[in-house]
Amino acid sequence: ETGVTQTPRHLVMGMTNKKSLKCEQHLGHNAMYWYKQSAKKPLELMFVYNFKEQTENNSVPSRFSPECPNSSHLFLHLHTLQPEDSALYLCASSQDWQLAGSTDTQYFGPGTRLTVL
Amino acid sequence: AQTVTQSQPEMSVQEAETVTLSCTYDTSENNYYLFWYKQPPSRQMILVIRQEAYKQQNATENRFSVNFQKAAKSFSLKISDSQLGDTAMYFCAFMKGYGGSQGNLIFGKGTKLSVKP
Repeated sequence: ETGVTQTPRHLVMGMTNKKSLKCEQHLGHNAMYWYKQSAKKPLELMFVYNFKEQTENNSVPSRFSPECPNSSHLFLHLHTLQPEDSALYLCASSQDWQLAGSTDTQYFGPGTRLTVL
Repeated sequence: AQTVTQSQPEMSVQEAETVTLSCTYDTSENNYYLFWYKQPPSRQMILVIRQEAYKQQNATENRFSVNFQKAAKSFSLKISDSQLGDTAMYFCAFMKGYGGSQGNLIFGKGTKLSVKP
């Protein structure tokens, strides 16, 4: 596997279910991100992790719970979602841009298409 | 707050011709980065080109080049010799430079580009 991978690619869940999205990066990066892409809206940054520590939480509802056990893996735990949470969820990674000589360009995974019934 | 505006929701171009996608942004920052990302129907967000605001020279990547006008806060993407594989959504994005929020990429709403044979 190369780059950034995400599983599953598609997920359909009921409002009472609990599910998790997984992201893995094979680029040796230290920062990982979750984005939400809804129809006709710009991509929205949800969470940022740098060296496994959460550095950004853009006022995301608590029904979304991120977990970053190490710099290569990122999870998004979902519970009691609403139909309006249906969207494409994208994961990205980058080097820590504060490191001298590093680049902050983010590389994205293919996304998980989530449908909440 | 920073904003990114892409005023062309959809565009089309004939194969082998040249097309320019527009992007304007609003910021009071002096140090920042600008990006163009491409999202084909496969949904994978792919980096097309990146520009550092402190560089006066316009970035180029093969058939892709930008026209960066810092004073006008304009960052257009030119695609030369368009190919069928260029069909995708194109997103313009802004990120603060050093000292800004880690990973806070701000995206425009995108331009859907169709390349016709």
